[in-house]
Amino acid sequence: QVQLVESGGGLVKPGGSLRLSCAASGFTFSDYYMSWIRQAPGKGLEWVSYISSSGSTIYYADSVKGRFTISRDNAKNSLYLQMNSLRAEDTAVYYCATGRGWSDWGQGTLVTVSS
Amino acid sequence: QSALTQPASVSGSPGQSITISCTGTSSDVGGYNYVSWYQQHPGKAPKLMIYEVSNRPSGVSNRFSGSKSGNTASLTISGLQAEDEADYYCSSYTSSAPWVFGGGTKLTVL
Repeated sequence: QVQLVESGGGLVKPGGSLRLSCAASGFTFSDYYMSWIRQAPGKGLEWVSYISSSGSTIYYADSVKGRFTISRDNAKNSLYLQMNSLRAEDTAVYYCATGRGWSDWGQGTLVTVSS
Repeated sequence: QSALTQPASVSGSPGQSITISCTGTSSDVGGYNYVSWYQQHPGKAPKLMIYEVSNRPSGVSNRFSGSKSGNTASLTISGLQAEDEADYYCSSYTSSAPWVFGGGTKLTVL
């Protein structure tokens, strides 16, 4: 079955950087588009970024455009999110998701931006 | 990228039916049949309940149904059960973002 496992979260100071990873298994990763979706503590869901199966099409939410970079390595069945110039408002659990209607989600990784 | 509008909370007694609305615009909910609904229990990842307005993924109870009229989508849960108590979120493909979520609705089973 589909398994998505996020990693790379942690505590970082404002202005710092962090790279999240999402390891995929149980499906043909190179056939599927992927997204990062986040949830601030006690808040709702916010779509962050999308990448097509080949990596040729990428979208970002306005709130992260110019600071975050999504990428994937189909040979390693892995999705990434490079986060630069982090702000307090980026504090959230970050989920990777895939499938029709975003049918499959990982368990999430917590990113805390604080001095 | 304005969030879709959902009621903050709804409640119902076991066995009853409830409906959660999700209001957008012609650029999102009204313009595309790509509305999804998610259930989220505390501390857990969201779970897809409805996709493409009214389709249920395999394994989701038929007590959950989705519909859309104009710029408003709806999730109906019939035969309410205690385990349905959770937060529910809608999402839609949009002409700009290109995805947007609703603010979420807390369902309380009385």
